[in-house]
Amino acid sequence: SQQGEEDPQALSIQEGENATMNCSYKTSINNLQWYRQNSGRGLVHLILIRSNEREKHSGRLRVTLDTSKKSSSLLITASRAADTASYFCATAALTGTASKLTFGTGTRLQVTL
Amino acid sequence: GAVVSQHPSRVICKSGTSVKIECRSLDFQATTMFWYRQFPKQSLMLMATSNEGSKATYEQGVEKDKFLINHASLTLSTLTVTSAHPEDSSFYICSARARVVSSNYGYTFGSGTRLTVV
Repeated sequence: SQQGEEDPQALSIQEGENATMNCSYKTSINNLQWYRQNSGRGLVHLILIRSNEREKHSGRLRVTLDTSKKSSSLLITASRAADTASYFCATAALTGTASKLTFGTGTRLQVTL
Repeated sequence: GAVVSQHPSRVICKSGTSVKIECRSLDFQATTMFWYRQFPKQSLMLMATSNEGSKATYEQGVEKDKFLINHASLTLSTLTVTSAHPEDSSFYICSARARVVSSNYGYTFGSGTRLTVV
């Protein structure tokens, strides 16, 4: 079943602006991951943040995690047209050796010139 | 890095026929593979989890006789859509989890298969 809810569902910004996407989940997690998907393509892993971490950076990406609120955010700074894609959060369960990922509903980001 | 090859990338088949989709881990051993289905502009819905050498575990609502999953080796899993119907048209994506999970990751996705049943 779908666990994560993301907002906004769609986001349109101009190149150079920052884009922020939010993700909420329902159950305890081991980690939370963000993925990017270009139209009609597979998923590309962006960043993983563990349940005991609060913030993580990778290049122009900044991810925060608030386990008390069961929420995470993905910030893309200085956006580029090439960042246009759908972005999904995914949570890995707290238990289980082969933890399946449960994906959020996704945010479709459009970056215009 | 870990690479998962999925093919075909696109397939069109006639209603009533069966279609097989392959997912291969190219440079690592995948003890677990996951199969997802994605409708246009929607998220990924997990269909089943397969472990090498054992039967797949299907999510609630997924017909195991309709979607046959085989994970015969540590590098190959297949999804066969049997007696396909137009409502089976969708984007199918596999994901593989390595035997040894890296400190930052562990899951690698295939590029997806666009199935169209006419």
